[in-house]
Amino acid sequence: DTAVSQTPKYLVTQMGNDKSIKCEQNLGHDTMYWYKQDSKKFLKIMFSYNNKELIINETVPNRFSPKSPDKAHLNLHINSLELGDSAVYFCASSQEGLGYNEQFFGPGTRLTVL
Amino acid sequence: AQSVTQPDIHITVSEGASLELRCNYSYGATPYLFWYVQSPGQGLQLLLKYFSGDTLVQGIKGFEAEFKRSQSSFNLRKPSVHWSDAAEYFCAVGSRTGTASKLTFGTGTRLQVTL
Repeated sequence: DTAVSQTPKYLVTQMGNDKSIKCEQNLGHDTMYWYKQDSKKFLKIMFSYNNKELIINETVPNRFSPKSPDKAHLNLHINSLELGDSAVYFCASSQEGLGYNEQFFGPGTRLTVL
Repeated sequence: AQSVTQPDIHITVSEGASLELRCNYSYGATPYLFWYVQSPGQGLQLLLKYFSGDTLVQGIKGFEAEFKRSQSSFNLRKPSVHWSDAAEYFCAVGSRTGTASKLTFGTGTRLQVTL
């Protein structure tokens, strides 16, 4: 059973297009995240949702809009794609509580903007 | 704000040799520390974590890491490297702000293993 899954695994598109990446977790967690890994392998958090509520938004351009229809899903919609959006996008989930809780990562979606 | 430094961008070791990957962190409170591994074209796999207690933590695949508060370090070690260990390794610090938690990653260390 896949704990955190993402679709698609690869996404190639033209500049200016709008695209979405989907994420689903079957761990029963209440918090989900999106991270971006750039061409230099640097990983940085983009968003965090807790119980469908946006908690963290790390100065991401408003062309990026996360949507959480329920606790098990967090989708990432990107408008007007730019060359610099090319990256690997990772979804993650955790169960929040006292202290800090481990995040479980999906396999990543490699987005290439031409 | 928290930060993580991995001083070594690229390390090459021979198979069977020992390995140490360095990680230094900056965080005002008790840190939650992690090491992740990313094989080429793959996602992130958790190797080990430190939350509290024993400062020497054991992980999967024969890895261990030692938390040294005085040095703000969390170095990853393995006594004998296998060719399959070639990958990118990321150190991370976890932090919380209210109900939000996030991981702050280092820039990664690429491990190459020669036969």
